[in-house]
Amino acid sequence: AQSVTQLDSQVPVFEEAPVELRCNYSSSVSVYLFWYVQYPNQGLQLLLKYLSGSTLVKGINGFEAEFNKSQTSFHLRKPSVHISDTAEYFCAVRSAGGSYIPTFGRGTSLIVHP
Amino acid sequence: DADVTQTPRNRITKTGKRIMLECSQTKGHDRMYWYRQDPGLGLRLIYYSFDVKDINKGEISDGYSVSRQAQAKFSLSLESAIPNQTALYFCATSVSGQETQYFGPGTRLLVL
Repeated sequence: AQSVTQLDSQVPVFEEAPVELRCNYSSSVSVYLFWYVQYPNQGLQLLLKYLSGSTLVKGINGFEAEFNKSQTSFHLRKPSVHISDTAEYFCAVRSAGGSYIPTFGRGTSLIVHP
Repeated sequence: DADVTQTPRNRITKTGKRIMLECSQTKGHDRMYWYRQDPGLGLRLIYYSFDVKDINKGEISDGYSVSRQAQAKFSLSLESAIPNQTALYFCATSVSGQETQYFGPGTRLLVL
């Protein structure tokens, strides 16, 4: 079984400040990890993913995430946020050897204030 | 043009009515999914299909049914709508061997 926990339901931050959105997962086997972003009134789109290799993954719009196997975490970071980063962010996990269906977290609402 | 489209985008219906939500894709993907999104609960999988002849229940399939009419079309039906099916519904696609899912814009459903 696989599960994912997003530790913060809402993260307020000022423009140009750094941000970290936290994600922890649980799985008995190797995993693939994803971050998706949902802008207001839109569907989800992939921000970045970890499948294998380097544990530091870079995505679109200046975001990056680090896979930490010992901590079972995949936290999302951005050194300087913009107003346009205001959105809902979803972490997802998929067991590498099992079902091809990822499990999504409950989402973190990033609110960037001017 | 969008690769994954959903119709309608918004729908208001009454308890007990049968409704259908439709999803079409031009990406040529073999796999299609239906999710519902509720505030604070994230995305939950309703049904998924790996090809035209394959239909699988997801986490919360009770009260829903699906039809995969063609590789490009995947419909979700609520046989007798109830108020707790009020939610935002997303269709998604992917291709076997690749991990990324591509989402439609969503259908906002209100059951009165």
